[in-house]
Amino acid sequence: SAVISQKPSRDICQRGTSLTIQCQVDSQVTMMFWYRQQPGQSLTLIATANQGSEATYESGFVIDKFPISRPNLTFSTLTVSNMSPEDSSIYLCSVEVGTASTFGSGTRLTVV
Amino acid sequence: GDSVTQMEGPVTLSEEAFLTINCTYTATGYPSLFWYVQYPGEGLQLLLKATKADDKGSNKGFEATYRKETTSFHLEKGSVQVSDSAVYFCALRRSGGSQGNLIFGKGTKLSVKP
Repeated sequence: SAVISQKPSRDICQRGTSLTIQCQVDSQVTMMFWYRQQPGQSLTLIATANQGSEATYESGFVIDKFPISRPNLTFSTLTVSNMSPEDSSIYLCSVEVGTASTFGSGTRLTVV
Repeated sequence: GDSVTQMEGPVTLSEEAFLTINCTYTATGYPSLFWYVQYPGEGLQLLLKATKADDKGSNKGFEATYRKETTSFHLEKGSVQVSDSAVYFCALRRSGGSQGNLIFGKGTKLSVKP
C-alpha cells in the first residue's frame, strides 16, 4: 500500500489568513482526494486532484476557497483561504491503491 | 444519491463483550464496502473491506460480511479489548469509472472499559 506524508500535522491560524497543506505519496498515483472532517462529524470529500488538469470540486466547495495544486503524480497541496473559525477541521488527503484508500495522518486546523 | 448509514454512538462496552456496529448503504451498481478505524489522536486506517456480495472482510478479530440482499455491512467482534476504543467509520466506494472517492457514514465512537 502507499505511504502518504502529510504536513503540517496541526496549526493554529488567525482568521483571514491562508494555510497550505501538503501531501507527498511514495508512489505515482493518478488521483488524489482531499477530505474535511469537521468536529464530531464524518469525512466529506472536498475535491479530486488529477495531475495536469484542474481539480474537480464537490458541491459546496469552490476553488477560490480551497485552491488545489497537483504538479506531479506524487504530490498535491490544498490551501484553505481567508480562513474563518468555521474552517476549523481536520483535513486529510487520500489516494486509491487497488481496492482500498490510504489516508494521510491529517492536518488539524484551528482558526482563532 | 449513494449514502451510508451507521448506528449512532457512542457505544460503551466492557472488555470481552461482543460488539456489533450496524451499517447499511444505498448505492447503484456494486460498490465496494469498507470499515475504517480512527484511534485517538491518529489518522484514519483501513480495518477491513469487501468488494463483492457475500465477501467477508476480517482483520484484528473484526469481521463484516457484504450482504447485498439487506444492503448491509455490519461490523462484529466477539471479544473487544480496551485497545479497540476508537471511532469506526463504514464507507462505500462507487463501482466503475473514475469515481474512486469514498462515501462515509457518520462514525461510531466505541469506548471499551476494563
